Amino acid sequence: NAGVTQTPKFQVLKTGQSMTLQCAQDMNHEYMSWYRQDPGMGLRLIHYSVGAGITDQGEVPNGYNVSRSTTEDFPLRLLSAAPSQTSVYFCASSRTTAANEQFFGPGTRLTVL
Amino acid sequence: TQLLEQSPQFLSIQEGENLTVYCNSSSVFSSLQWYRQEPGEGPVLLVTVVTGGEVKKLKRLTFQFGDARKDSSLHITAAQPGDTGLYLCAGASPGNTGKLIFGQGTTLQVKP
Repeated sequence: NAGVTQTPKFQVLKTGQSMTLQCAQDMNHEYMSWYRQDPGMGLRLIHYSVGAGITDQGEVPNGYNVSRSTTEDFPLRLLSAAPSQTSVYFCASSRTTAANEQFFGPGTRLTVL
Repeated sequence: TQLLEQSPQFLSIQEGENLTVYCNSSSVFSSLQWYRQEPGEGPVLLVTVVTGGEVKKLKRLTFQFGDARKDSSLHITAAQPGDTGLYLCAGASPGNTGKLIFGQGTTLQVKP
């Protein structure tokens, strides 16, 4: 099993550009989520999904969209990148809920100029 | 909004010393998880505590969940350089299976 995979590993964008961060898991997990990690702020929840077709907002959803058309994939879209979105982004999955062990991907380091 | 306050944010100690990291909230959590993160990698689960007053041990690490399920602590005995890393607590809300909220993290450096 590959676990949770994320692409790309690094990305540089200009302000106003859009892009999609990819996340996939091969563990048949129902729950998936996206976090951003900034220095001194831990991990902040952006969006999460408790199953295919179901998504909901986390703590910091503004500027990001998600969809969950399959169990395996949970892409994160930046609609119009801003310098404040410079961060490291982690995707995670777990068996059924947020209370289960979270398995994290390796992260995507995004810089917005 | 649920918040998890983690302290201290930074800790630099000598090998062999003991330390405690605290995770506090005004909210009740159904469970609390502790993760450890190495540079350039995603967090990895150390332990989950579920019952108020629960104590779990993982070798030299002892985890405790407060009686009211609002706080938790991580105690490391005789720290070693291999314990160096970022420690994160995370709480899952009762009745809400969707949100896992993280504390700010504690960066631990253990000097040989």
